[in-house]
Amino acid sequence: AQSVTQLDSHVSVSEGTPVLLRCNYSSSYSPSLFWYVQHPNKGLQLLLKYTSAATLVKGINGFEAEFKKSETSFHLTKPSAHMSDAAEYFCVVSEPDDYKLSFGAGTTVTVRA
Amino acid sequence: NAGVTQTPKFQVLKTGQSMTLQCAQDMNHEYMSWYRQDPGMGLRLIHYSVGAGITDQGEVPNGYNVSRSTTEDFPLRLLSAAPSQTSVYFCASTATGRSTDTQYFGPGTRLTVL
Repeated sequence: AQSVTQLDSHVSVSEGTPVLLRCNYSSSYSPSLFWYVQHPNKGLQLLLKYTSAATLVKGINGFEAEFKKSETSFHLTKPSAHMSDAAEYFCVVSEPDDYKLSFGAGTTVTVRA
Repeated sequence: NAGVTQTPKFQVLKTGQSMTLQCAQDMNHEYMSWYRQDPGMGLRLIHYSVGAGITDQGEVPNGYNVSRSTTEDFPLRLLSAAPSQTSVYFCASTATGRSTDTQYFGPGTRLTVL
């Protein structure tokens, strides 16, 4: 069975500074990994996904994530935070050939002006 | 295409009442799922379906029923609502069973059980 641990429940950054959201996963197989974002009172939007191709994955809005198998990590980064990045972020894992998703608990990002 | 639609957007129930959360997709997707979102717990899978007439239980199925009579629709039924079912419910669909395919989420239904 797969699972995800998001290491920070809340991250606060200043506008223009880097953002780092940490995610560790557990999986018996080579997993697929995703980051989703949810803005307040909105639905889920896919930021990026890793599916066993390049280990550095670029997503929308300047986000990227690096898959590190040796560390079982899939951390999300952005070089410069914008006010619009304030949201909740979910790290998600699924087994290969399985569409059912396992979500982390989420990380709430606050951006200070 | 409308994508994945959910109705209602908001609902308040009293304990013991029943209701059905509607989910529909117009992308001819075979795979559909229901998740609930609770603070500090992310989203958890309630039930899923791999095609019309086929459903199965996810991580937290107790208190919920589903059916899949058509490809387009996947309703979630609460037979006797309990305060523990206060949550935000999301429906999702995808074309195939492969994890590499994009999943499409509906806008959610916010349910409060008093």
